[in-house]
Amino acid sequence: QTVVTQEPSFSVSPGGTVTLTCGLTSGSVSNSNYPSWYQQTPGQAPRTLIYSTNTRSFGVPDRFSGSILGNKAALTITGAQADDESDYYCVLFMGSGISVFGGGTKLTVL
Amino acid sequence: EVQLVESGGGLVQPGGSLRLSCAASGFTFSSYWMHWVRQAPGKGLVWVSRINTDGSGTNYADSVKGRFTISRDNAKNTLYLQMNTLRAEDTAVYYCARDVVAGDTHWGRGTLVTVSS
Repeated sequence: QTVVTQEPSFSVSPGGTVTLTCGLTSGSVSNSNYPSWYQQTPGQAPRTLIYSTNTRSFGVPDRFSGSILGNKAALTITGAQADDESDYYCVLFMGSGISVFGGGTKLTVL
Repeated sequence: EVQLVESGGGLVQPGGSLRLSCAASGFTFSSYWMHWVRQAPGKGLVWVSRINTDGSGTNYADSVKGRFTISRDNAKNTLYLQMNTLRAEDTAVYYCARDVVAGDTHWGRGTLVTVSS
């Protein structure tokens, strides 16, 4: 069974740039997986950042961007801020009506 | 404004049943595929199920297949999740969501389901 992979944790300095990735244990991620990215803080519902690989959700600042890098989907945060410290999840459409979330990345800004 | 409001969560014994509802407003409910996503305490998001616009097509994660049933009432702008034979590992916050695939996902605030004796 194919699993969606994300880095368990990542650290970035304030003002720095970080790229989180979303891959597959078998195969490559493509636009046909319609990768989406969500941000979540404890006790809150997820917030949509990016959908369909690289389209920003309404109101999301342009320092968040999505792409395909090599065989993975990627979320890049430029100019990291303290309130970017959150959990980040990707989800991939696997075909046959099934979607699968990655395990999430805990981002620390320090 | 898109609003999704889940209800129906609570404490249920193992083997029991529960039906969740999600009341939708602010958009044409009958035009959108809808999803349920859950999150166990301290864990990540897990896709559970989706339903097409008229309810004729459904899909499920392997972990709930045969136990959970997703449905919708477009006249009432409401999405449902019937959960049977509940297990401790089904304990989670259940979110209703629009546009998990190829769209700007809108989320409800979630409803907590606790399976415990």
